Amino acid sequence: NAGVTQTPKFQVLKTGQSMTLQCAQDMNHEYMSWYRQDPGMGLRLIHYSVGAGITDQGEVPNGYNVSRSTTEDFPLRLLSAAPSQTSVYFCASSRSPVLAGVTGELFFGEGSRLTVL
Amino acid sequence: GESVGLHLPTLSVQEGDNSIINCAYSNSASDYFIWYKQESGKGPQFIIDIRSNMDKRQGQRVTVLLNKTVKHLSLQIAATQPGDSAVYFCAENMGKYNFNKFYFGSGTKLNVKP
Repeated sequence: NAGVTQTPKFQVLKTGQSMTLQCAQDMNHEYMSWYRQDPGMGLRLIHYSVGAGITDQGEVPNGYNVSRSTTEDFPLRLLSAAPSQTSVYFCASSRSPVLAGVTGELFFGEGSRLTVL
Repeated sequence: GESVGLHLPTLSVQEGDNSIINCAYSNSASDYFIWYKQESGKGPQFIIDIRSNMDKRQGQRVTVLLNKTVKHLSLQIAATQPGDSAVYFCAENMGKYNFNKFYFGSGTKLNVKP
């Protein structure tokens, strides 16, 4: 089972360049999200989606766009990369939002390490 | 935003000893909590969860304790093994109020000495 797959694993960009981080899951999960992980700051939520066609902002959405055209895919776009976006990015999915009697476990991908020069 | 923090950034224990990792949360509306383990170069992995209507939950070699009075969460690992060496994160969720958002702490690194 593939689970959550992220590509690329590593990327170096120049300031102002654009790119898309890809995320795909094969577990038929409704909920998908993007986090960034910086040293000493844990994981911070960028954007999330509760289903195809529905997205919303997290804690740190500025500089990032998302879309959810299918249940499986949730790409994260950087329109004009900045050095402050140097980070490790994690995509996660779960069966459903946290509801009574349902484990809200997030399944994470392996991460995408982005460096912006 | 709300904060989820940890008392100790690094914890070193001897193999076979018990480990206790602590987490303080500030949002009294949070009613669901998860502990994650992250090994170097990998994504976080689910360890155990607990809801606010419980004060203790046990898994295999792990126990999570929740003290809502002082907004404190702890993860206990029994008979710590070298494979337990990793960074551990707690995460909180406001459940029925804002069930799509998890807030993560900054993490505690656990070093297990052989």
